[in-house]
Amino acid sequence: GENVEQHPSTLSVQEGDSAVIKCTYSDSASNYFPWYKQELGKRPQLIIDIRSNVGEKKDQRIAVTLNKTAKHFSLHITETQPEDSAVYFCAASYQGFQKLVFGTGTRLLVSP
Amino acid sequence: GAVVSQHPSWVICKSGTSVKIECRSLDFQATTMFWYRQFPKQSLMLMATSNEGSKATYEQGVEKDKFLINHASLTLSTLTVTSAHPEDSSFYICSAPPELRTNYGYTFGSGTRLTVV
Repeated sequence: GENVEQHPSTLSVQEGDSAVIKCTYSDSASNYFPWYKQELGKRPQLIIDIRSNVGEKKDQRIAVTLNKTAKHFSLHITETQPEDSAVYFCAASYQGFQKLVFGTGTRLLVSP
Repeated sequence: GAVVSQHPSWVICKSGTSVKIECRSLDFQATTMFWYRQFPKQSLMLMATSNEGSKATYEQGVEKDKFLINHASLTLSTLTVTSAHPEDSSFYICSAPPELRTNYGYTFGSGTRLTVV
């Protein structure tokens, strides 16, 4: 079935460093790949997304890259700040904009 | 943008009772609603997909008779946890897919924290 793998499960960086989180997906028909930040007990918050017709997208300190051939996509956060500390989830949309399957999550800790 | 209102935000119930969770699309018509469950420190797991006017589609391993889903109108989808047990305690959240011809992403409800005692 549909599957999204996410690595690493935890990531600790120093303030100002870059952080990279990687995901792979199983269904080559997937066409939409969002990244979410989630605080405890809250709904996921979309931070950036990319569609299958684009290879890279950037929004200030956040960027996402997509390799359709290898079926993987990555989140890049530059100049990390303590407030970036949170749990991040990648996801992939299957069957068009139908099922949204989440990765296992990455707990990012940015130390001052 | 699209808004999905989810209620209640938290609920405590006794074992054996049923709990209903509602998700309403406030400014758009949601013909589809996805229901997720999230245990502490875990990911969001898709439980089922509700479709307005037809039966819900359940993911493998999810009990249809325990998690009743109804999507009776274009703006309301409900999840009823029947005969709840402590192991059903979790964070339940609904999500509507993007509307066609928009650049919006998926819209999530605010979630319901269910505690079964």
